[in-house]
Amino acid sequence: GAGVSQTPSNKVTEKGKYVELRCDPISGHTALYWYRQSLGQGPEFLIYFQGTGAADDSGLPNDRFFAVRPEGSVSTLKIQRTERGDSAVYLCASSLAGGLLTGGELFFGEGSRLTVL
Amino acid sequence: GESVGLHLPTLSVQEGDNSIINCAYSNSASDYFIWYKQESGKGPQFIIDIRSNMDKRQGQRVTVLLNKTVKHLSLQIAATQPGDSAVYFCAENPNSGGSNYKLTFGKGTLLTVNP
Repeated sequence: GAGVSQTPSNKVTEKGKYVELRCDPISGHTALYWYRQSLGQGPEFLIYFQGTGAADDSGLPNDRFFAVRPEGSVSTLKIQRTERGDSAVYLCASSLAGGLLTGGELFFGEGSRLTVL
Repeated sequence: GESVGLHLPTLSVQEGDNSIINCAYSNSASDYFIWYKQESGKGPQFIIDIRSNMDKRQGQRVTVLLNKTVKHLSLQIAATQPGDSAVYFCAENPNSGGSNYKLTFGKGTLLTVNP
């Protein structure tokens, strides 16, 4: 597609359930990022992939969160044993190459809104 | 802790007026700043960026000013249009450990343009 695609756009789940959120970056973009945006706040960094590897996962809040990018394209953010505090919009972004000063602009998807009841 | 913040949470202007959105940052090591526009239900959209070795950069109808002395960033929108109504975020690259891929966002300013 022309832009970053995220599915599902909305996900409602119950506390304790497992959730997967998918991101399909712009074709040819090697760098992929996940951010989380709580209501009324700016996005917060979660994890950065360069190719297939997670170059920086320091923003993941705890070990219930995990992300993969097995073939260097599509990425999945996985949340185990969801809690109400996990409710937020999960944004994915991609860029042509890693490095804000060299790889250029981040293109964000429209996000996956997660609601944990 | 060090963070990016905004002076004004909301700004209401008349169509055709110029808008100025301000942002304060506290990390003196930050070397790159970006303004994003976010419309309801959408992801942030890049507007304009500026590196720390510059103090001004102009785009189409937008200008970003950087004052490193007082750690202040502003976004000026000329001839504001109803389509400019959105939340605007400033973001910085903290450049911690030499990383240049991680952005720290402020809380955002809601700009409302009245016709």
